[in-house]
Amino acid sequence: AQSVTQPDIHITVSEGASLELRCNYSYGATPYLFWYVQSPGQGLQLLLKYFSGDTLVQGIKGFEAEFKRSQSSFKQRKPSVHWSDAAEYFCAVAKPGYNTDKLIFGTGTRLQVFP
Amino acid sequence: AAGVIQSPRHLIKEKRETATLKCYPIPRHDTVYWYQQGPGQDPQFLISFYEKMQSDKGSIPDRFSAQQFSDYHSELNMSSLELGDSALYFCASSTRTGNNEQFFGPGTRLTVL
Repeated sequence: AQSVTQPDIHITVSEGASLELRCNYSYGATPYLFWYVQSPGQGLQLLLKYFSGDTLVQGIKGFEAEFKRSQSSFKQRKPSVHWSDAAEYFCAVAKPGYNTDKLIFGTGTRLQVFP
Repeated sequence: AAGVIQSPRHLIKEKRETATLKCYPIPRHDTVYWYQQGPGQDPQFLISFYEKMQSDKGSIPDRFSAQQFSDYHSELNMSSLELGDSALYFCASSTRTGNNEQFFGPGTRLTVL
């Protein structure tokens, strides 16, 4: 079965510290991979995406992610966290090459940032 | 840039009532998706439409129906509402040339009392 696992339910970091959010997936083939961010009561904003090619991808707001096929992993990083980064982060996958496929989400990681 | 529009943003209904949620995709996007996000949960796929035809179906209750109209907007109709239907309902849109990058609306928060 297709699934996405985000092992960390809740992460707390100090402002200015580095951040790493983990995501592992179970899929028949390498899926399209995404990271979305959701602020409280808000919609989902796309941060990062991986379709193919370079395994290190750059996103918005200073986020980057690395795809590791051998580990079925799509790990997100940010070198210095800002208080405004406090939010819920969802990793998601979709069937590759099928442009109308549904997203399958992980359970999310809630990020709390202390000043 | 234009975004996905959802209306209403908030909706309060009683049990057994009906509700209609509307979604207006980004101009020139031909695909619409509906997701349901329960409190503290991840979004779950309900249903999608491509060029006004249903393209995929997820865990959508039989009490719910949806369609996409000729102007590409979509409506999610929910009948015999239950307390468990209280959730945030997201609509997303994409285009077949966009590598399945889905753009999400702000959501409709449905509360069933």
